[in-house]
Amino acid sequence: EPEVTQTPSHQVTQMGQEVILRCVPISNHLYFYWYRQILGQKVEFLVSFYNNEISEKSEIFDDQFSVERPDGSNFTLKIRSTKLEDSAMYFCASSPGFQRAEAFFGQGTRLTVV
Amino acid sequence: GDSVTQMEGPVTLSEEAFLTINCTYTATGYPSLFWYVQYPGEGLQLLLKATKADDKGSNKGFEATYRKETTSFHLEKGSVQVSDSAVYFCALSHGSSNTGKLIFGQGTTLQVKP
Repeated sequence: EPEVTQTPSHQVTQMGQEVILRCVPISNHLYFYWYRQILGQKVEFLVSFYNNEISEKSEIFDDQFSVERPDGSNFTLKIRSTKLEDSAMYFCASSPGFQRAEAFFGQGTRLTVV
Repeated sequence: GDSVTQMEGPVTLSEEAFLTINCTYTATGYPSLFWYVQYPGEGLQLLLKATKADDKGSNKGFEATYRKETTSFHLEKGSVQVSDSAVYFCALSHGSSNTGKLIFGQGTTLQVKP
């Protein structure tokens, strides 16, 4: 069964460092997403990506965040200068459509900023 | 804005007990409603969905009915098993959104004891 894969499963980084979280969405999907979950809080939408551009972003997704689909298979989330409050589980998801379609999630990357 | 509210957890039940996890939503128009499940160490998986009022979603013995009059989508199962222990997330996707982003509740942890 096709699945969304994320790497690494856990990343520890020092405050101020750049991190790149990687995702391989399901191959025939068109819509890609990043969500995050701070420990003990809700899963929050960060950004959606379609046709090689951002289609929607939340207020959390500020200038320190960026997304890219560099080679037609990977989908990355970059955090330029990490802060302690960026520590969270980051989930990638993909979907074949946007209206009433199911989103398929990866297992998540736990980011710890120290 | 749109929001989802779930009952506080954790919910602890004995095997074969009846389960209800309450979920209510606030949204304009006609959102699609979802229940996702997260088993320990895994990503989010779609459990069931309903896309219009009075629809009943069902899967693996779980079911939920889209009630527009009470803006609810409560999850039920007649007889839980130890293997149902997980975190359950209620979510909505707004039909007017052209990105399919999901808005999640805070999650409810279910622990089933033998």
